[in-house]
Amino acid sequence: EAQVTQNPRYLITVTGKKLTVTCSQNMNHEYMSWYRQDPGLGLRQIYYSMNVEVTDKGDVPEGYKVSRKEKRNFPLILESPSPNQTSLYFCASSHGAWDTQYFGPGTRLTVL
Amino acid sequence: AQKVTQAQTEISVVEKEDVTLDCVYETRDTTYYLFWYKQPPSGELVFLIRRNSFDEQNEISGRYSWNFQKSTSSFNFTITASQVVDSAVYFCALSEADTGNQFYFGTGTSLTVIP
Repeated sequence: EAQVTQNPRYLITVTGKKLTVTCSQNMNHEYMSWYRQDPGLGLRQIYYSMNVEVTDKGDVPEGYKVSRKEKRNFPLILESPSPNQTSLYFCASSHGAWDTQYFGPGTRLTVL
Repeated sequence: AQKVTQAQTEISVVEKEDVTLDCVYETRDTTYYLFWYKQPPSGELVFLIRRNSFDEQNEISGRYSWNFQKSTSSFNFTITASQVVDSAVYFCALSEADTGNQFYFGTGTSLTVIP
């Protein structure tokens, strides 16, 4: 089944404790992306990747890191999480930047 | 500046009514793509439609229809004879092919269909 998976689905952590949210797709897509969803703000792009070893900032990259060492994986790293990063995070993939994006189920992160 | 504006934050309609969700976008690119996604209460994001800037034909899919007007930079979404299952948050999105690889979402419209 074609899908985008994210782990964990739910995470509660404390300020400053490094964490990684994994994202994996099995559709051989070149383009992958991370978004955060906050009430009243819609989805905002954090980082995106056009292909392996090619990443770029979206609209809200501060406090996040990503890597794209393999085509199928695109982890989101929060090296020192803060409460303002409490949000619902979505990973997505597509063949290209202008193609239909397929989304993972979301990761709800709470930073205390 | 907001590239995609969904001015309607929340809409409530009674079942079987028609409802139109507005989307206004801003771009200087000649080639771009517009999308609509649905987010039901369960939280997943469901793709509804993708339209490129060169195709202004209106599209109909069952009870759903889309009206793309470049002259007003709008890509509105109409649900005919709404049903309770249509209750969701709907997002409009833009991708610009000439100037970048980012994807821009609007803030969403929360639709409640009352039985």
